[in-house]
Amino acid sequence: GESVGLHLPTLSVQEGDNSIINCAYSNSASDYFIWYKQESGKGPQFIIDIRSNMDKRQGQRVTVLLNKTVKHLSLQIAATQPGDSAVYFCAVPAYNQGGKLIFGQGTELSVKP
Amino acid sequence: GAGVSQSPSNKVTEKGKDVELRCDPISGHTALYWYRQSLGQGLEFLIYFQGNSAPDKSGLPSDRFSAERTGGSVSTLTIQRTQQEDSAVYLCASSLRAPNEKLFFGSGTQLSVL
Repeated sequence: GESVGLHLPTLSVQEGDNSIINCAYSNSASDYFIWYKQESGKGPQFIIDIRSNMDKRQGQRVTVLLNKTVKHLSLQIAATQPGDSAVYFCAVPAYNQGGKLIFGQGTELSVKP
Repeated sequence: GAGVSQSPSNKVTEKGKDVELRCDPISGHTALYWYRQSLGQGLEFLIYFQGNSAPDKSGLPSDRFSAERTGGSVSTLTIQRTQQEDSAVYLCASSLRAPNEKLFFGSGTQLSVL
């Protein structure tokens, strides 16, 4: 079946550095991708999304890159701050399964002051 | 309301008891989702509603789990005869419509089955 995987379960960066979180997906027909941030004790919060007709999308301090050739996407956080410490999930809609989203296992980002 | 509201925030129950978890989505959102998150794990899809109907129940782990949605708004997830492996955070989310719309999540209900 479809799957979404993240390359690293944990990532530790120094405050002010850039962070890159990676994600791979299995279904080449996937056309919509979403990144969520989950802080401790809270539900996931939407960060940014991208559709397959784009290969890059920028938000505030975040950029998502999509490489459809190798079925890989990444989330880049510029000038990482302590408030960025959280678990980050990528998600893709399950193909032909309506509203179901498939989430990766998450990467826990720790920011060292 | 301003966001997705879930109640209770914490629920401790004894094995074999039934529990009801409630979700109040963002006003105007037609799609509603239930996910389960075990400690340190990703999100496991349970069920989603478009309006009051549930086109996809494929994620419900067993027939002990059921969910309903009334009036296109509030949803209740019911777990009968709870087991220890049901212990998890149950997350509800809503979106304007399905599919392929960003989800807005509540803070979840932490269920502990003793």
